[in-house]
Amino acid sequence: AQSVTQLDSHVSVSEGTPVLLRCNYSSSYSPSLFWYVQHPNKGLQLLLKYTSAATLVKGINGFEAEFKKSETSFHLTKPSAHMSDAAEYFCVVSAKTSYDKVIFGPGTSLSVIP
Amino acid sequence: DARVTQTPRHKVTEMGQEVTMRCQPILGHNTVFWYRQTMMQGLELLAYFRNRAPLDDSGMPKDRFSAEMPDATLATLKIQPSEPRDSAVYFCASGLGSGGVSGNTIYFGEGSWLTVV
Repeated sequence: AQSVTQLDSHVSVSEGTPVLLRCNYSSSYSPSLFWYVQHPNKGLQLLLKYTSAATLVKGINGFEAEFKKSETSFHLTKPSAHMSDAAEYFCVVSAKTSYDKVIFGPGTSLSVIP
Repeated sequence: DARVTQTPRHKVTEMGQEVTMRCQPILGHNTVFWYRQTMMQGLELLAYFRNRAPLDDSGMPKDRFSAEMPDATLATLKIQPSEPRDSAVYFCASGLGSGGVSGNTIYFGEGSWLTVV
């Protein structure tokens, strides 16, 4: 079975400070892991993905995430928050070779304070 | 720039009316998903297709919802009759279901915003 936990439903940071959005997963398979972002009234956009290569994955807009198998975590980080980063972020786990077990986390709402 | 296209973007309808939402997946993608998003339930998978065949529609209320892929470039989600509790954003997404290095990335459309009054 697979599951995803996003430890914070809401995170608030000041502009220019680091962002940390936490994600833990469980998977019976060798997982693929993703982070998606959803801006208000928009669809979900892929930020980054981990398949099986480097454990530190760089994505768009300065975001990156590190896959830590021992901790079953895939936390999303950014060194310096920008106002445009305010959005909903979803951590997703899927079986590496199939879509059959795609699981979305409940989402973390990120607010950026000027 | 390849993208998933959904129509209509916004729909307001009266209870009891039929609603049809359409989706054009990214050309070449063989897997199509329908998701529903609400404040209360978050993102829910309604159904998905591989090579136009339904693989899983267990998340879809069978009495009023139906999903089809008449051809590889069109997926439809129909609600008949619609009810106020169906008000939500409906997302179509597509992907290339071969796994491997593609990492099973799913590409989302902008959504169809449905309000049933």
